[in-house]
Amino acid sequence: GDSVTQMEGPVTLSEEAFLTINCTYTATGYPSLFWYVQYPGEGLQLLLKATKADDKGSNKGFEATYRKETTSFHLEKGSVQVSDSAVYFCALRAYGGSQGNLIFGKGTKLSVKP
Amino acid sequence: DADVTQTPRNRITKTGKRIMLECSQTKGHDRMYWYRQDPGLGLQLIYYSFDVKDINKGEISDGYSVSRQAQAKFSLSLESAIPNQTALYFCATSAGLAGLHEQFFGPGTRLTVL
Repeated sequence: GDSVTQMEGPVTLSEEAFLTINCTYTATGYPSLFWYVQYPGEGLQLLLKATKADDKGSNKGFEATYRKETTSFHLEKGSVQVSDSAVYFCALRAYGGSQGNLIFGKGTKLSVKP
Repeated sequence: DADVTQTPRNRITKTGKRIMLECSQTKGHDRMYWYRQDPGLGLQLIYYSFDVKDINKGEISDGYSVSRQAQAKFSLSLESAIPNQTALYFCATSAGLAGLHEQFFGPGTRLTVL
């Protein structure tokens, strides 16, 4: 079945460091891909998305490119801030029996130190 | 006011008790979802509803039931709570297919079953 695999956390970085959170997927057809972010004590919120191969989603300095050849959607940011500390979830849109519902990865916790 | 609200925010109960978690939304969305979040496991879909007359089981519906009382209200019940149902529960809404339309999440209910 469809699935999403994210790098294990937690990830701890110093402010202004470069961030990469790896995400790979398994899916039939051509899924849409998403990154959601969960700040402490809050629900998830959409960070960015890409709906077809080679699309780049971007928001708040974060970017991710839909790579069909490597089935990946890695999240990157050039210079992280303390306020980026959160849990990041990669997700894909499932097809078939799940009626287009989202499938989430396990999440990667990011801590940014000043 | 928040667009998606959940009550209660925290609940401690005992094994065997019946518990209801409530979700209300002011976004006017037809689609509503209940997820469970466990550390290291990401989000798992419990139930989803496409409108008041359409209720569907998700990947982990055993031990749970739901009621869609109105377009804006979607309740999750644990008929006889057990300790492994201790988790963070999120309600979410979307305007259409989860993969095409952003999902909006409530702040979560932290449930502890002793």
